[in-house]
Amino acid sequence: DQQVKQNSPSLSVQEGRISILNCDYTNSMFDYFLWYKKYPAEGPTFLISISSIKDKNEDGRFTVFLNKSAKHLSLHIVPSQPGDSAVYFCAASASNNDMRFGAGTRLTVKP
Amino acid sequence: NAGVTQTPKFRVLKTGQSMTLLCAQDMNHEYMYWYRQDPGMGLRLIHYSVGEGTTAKGEVPDGYNVSRLKKQNFLLGLESAAPSQTSVYFCASSYLSGAGAEAFFGQGTRLTVV
Repeated sequence: DQQVKQNSPSLSVQEGRISILNCDYTNSMFDYFLWYKKYPAEGPTFLISISSIKDKNEDGRFTVFLNKSAKHLSLHIVPSQPGDSAVYFCAASASNNDMRFGAGTRLTVKP
Repeated sequence: NAGVTQTPKFRVLKTGQSMTLLCAQDMNHEYMYWYRQDPGMGLRLIHYSVGEGTTAKGEVPDGYNVSRLKKQNFLLGLESAAPSQTSVYFCASSYLSGAGAEAFFGQGTRLTVV
């Protein structure tokens, strides 16, 4: 069963605008959520995370929002840059347990 | 600082052959993971380990075995390869799970089974 879901396979935005990537999860035991970025032919790299005790975490142009009641999180990128074009994976982890990933969203930022 | 290193980077196997993928990390991480990435499926967890000498099944463990004899190494074995195991395999490691679970990934192994 897919416990972490990214329902949008792709997203295209104009440079300078906001990119919003969404993620839903089903397992209420998850207590830590992460976003990874992946370029072709490379391994994923960690981008930003959020603990379940928070509802927002910001790091420069990247902000992650968590809505626990809806089991939903989102990644906001403002302003979007062409170098942000990549596949973004949402992941969730539970203490003393494993880490599950969504299917990914391919972001294209057009100049 | 090498981080997470996977060997080999590419491999072509015939159906029924066996092979072992090696993952090595130099960050003294407790947790190690093996994922496979397939189009439209994202990263699916095969097996993972929460420490030396321990292993556990993930989402798609069938057809694979793992071993963690040393803390820094996590081996993924295919005893009898099948075309359905054609995929890109990623190894990852993290210090913790839950809070602090930021994982570091290797560059991936592209495996083709013909």
